[in-house]
Amino acid sequence: DTAVSQTPKYLVTQMGNDKSIKCEQNLGHDTMYWYKQDSKKFLKIMFSYNNKELIINETVPNRFSPKSPDKAHLNLHINSLELGDSAVYFCASSQEGIRDSPLHFGNGTRLTVT
Amino acid sequence: DQQVKQNSPSLSVQEGRISILNCDYTNSMFDYFLWYKKYPAEGPTFLISISSIKDKNEDGRFTVFLNKSAKHLSLHIVPSQPGDSAVYFCAAINTGFQKLVFGTGTRLLVSP
Repeated sequence: DTAVSQTPKYLVTQMGNDKSIKCEQNLGHDTMYWYKQDSKKFLKIMFSYNNKELIINETVPNRFSPKSPDKAHLNLHINSLELGDSAVYFCASSQEGIRDSPLHFGNGTRLTVT
Repeated sequence: DQQVKQNSPSLSVQEGRISILNCDYTNSMFDYFLWYKKYPAEGPTFLISISSIKDKNEDGRFTVFLNKSAKHLSLHIVPSQPGDSAVYFCAAINTGFQKLVFGTGTRLLVSP
């Protein structure tokens, strides 16, 4: 059973397009995250939701919009894709309090913008 | 502003020997530290953690050491096994803010 699953695994698209990445967790966790790993291998947090409520919103362009229909899902929609958006995007989840529940990550979505 | 640094991008070790992966941080407000392991085409998986009130935590072959005065932590793997070959990420958090900050990772290669 996959604990945190995200789709698609690979996404190749052209500049200017709009795309979505879906994420679902079956761990019963309250908090979900989106992380971005860029070409320099930095893993940086983008957003965090707790029980469908946005709690962390890093300085991410507003072309990126997370949507949490329920606490088991956190989708990422990206408008007007740019070359610099090419990266691997990881979804993760945890219980509230990382001390008690370290992040569980999905396997990533490799986004390539041409 | 890179608050968590892993200055060695790669490390090669022979099977059976000790692997030592290092991590430095700059933010003195961090109070909890974690190591994650990542295989290709997979997400990072949690390995071991340590609270800032401790200086050592051990779990089987894995031990994490924390030197708060030097703002330095290290992960020791002994004995190293070929299956340990992966990228290891150090991460730190101020648990009041719940924002985990990662280093850039160290690729460990354990050869038979």
